[in-house]
Amino acid sequence: GAVVSQHPSWVICKSGTSVKIECRSLDFQATTMFWYRQFPKQSLMLMATSNEGSKATYEQGVEKDKFLINHASLTLSTLTVTSAHPEDSSFYICSARPFGAANTGELFFGEGSRLTVL
Amino acid sequence: KQEVTQIPAALSVPEGENLVLNCSFTDSAIYNLQWFRQDPGKGLTSLLLIQSSQREQTSGRLNASLDKSSGRSTLYIAASQPGDSATYLCAVMDSSYKLIFGSGTRLLVRP
Repeated sequence: GAVVSQHPSWVICKSGTSVKIECRSLDFQATTMFWYRQFPKQSLMLMATSNEGSKATYEQGVEKDKFLINHASLTLSTLTVTSAHPEDSSFYICSARPFGAANTGELFFGEGSRLTVL
Repeated sequence: KQEVTQIPAALSVPEGENLVLNCSFTDSAIYNLQWFRQDPGKGLTSLLLIQSSQREQTSGRLNASLDKSSGRSTLYIAASQPGDSATYLCAVMDSSYKLIFGSGTRLLVRP
């Protein structure tokens, strides 16, 4: 099956620093990638939709200047948490929609990246 | 705005019991509905995907149904095992391929 890799799987950083998380589709090209955030014991909340070669579309309430998304190729999207603060500590998960596949709507998820901001 | 609700929030059953997890959604204009499993601290494992034109899907001991008109889906787990313990998430997809997740049901299957 299709594999989506996220890196790093966990990261600890100091308050005020920036952290970049990569989402890579290993064996397929992804037209669209989605970024989700999950706080402890809560469900996944969609943050933004990332389309290759264009600007990301952010959900209401998500600060685009704080969560920078780049989708420079059909296999890679990155999420950069800028000037991270403790309240940004969360589990970030990406998903990818295959390019050119039958429109089943199936998405493939990465394993997630746990961010802890001290 | 689409809202997805899952009941119960938590469930504890003895091994071998059959169980049903419930999911409801407010907007019936969905592209598909998906059930996922999430183990603590891990990503998502896709269990079943039901297209909007389908009524049910089966995989092994799992069976998911979809009643789009009433905005409901159920996940039936037969002969539950301790290894089934996890959080089960229901999600509906809209026409732009966005997934809206429910808050999940935390399942514990006791040996």
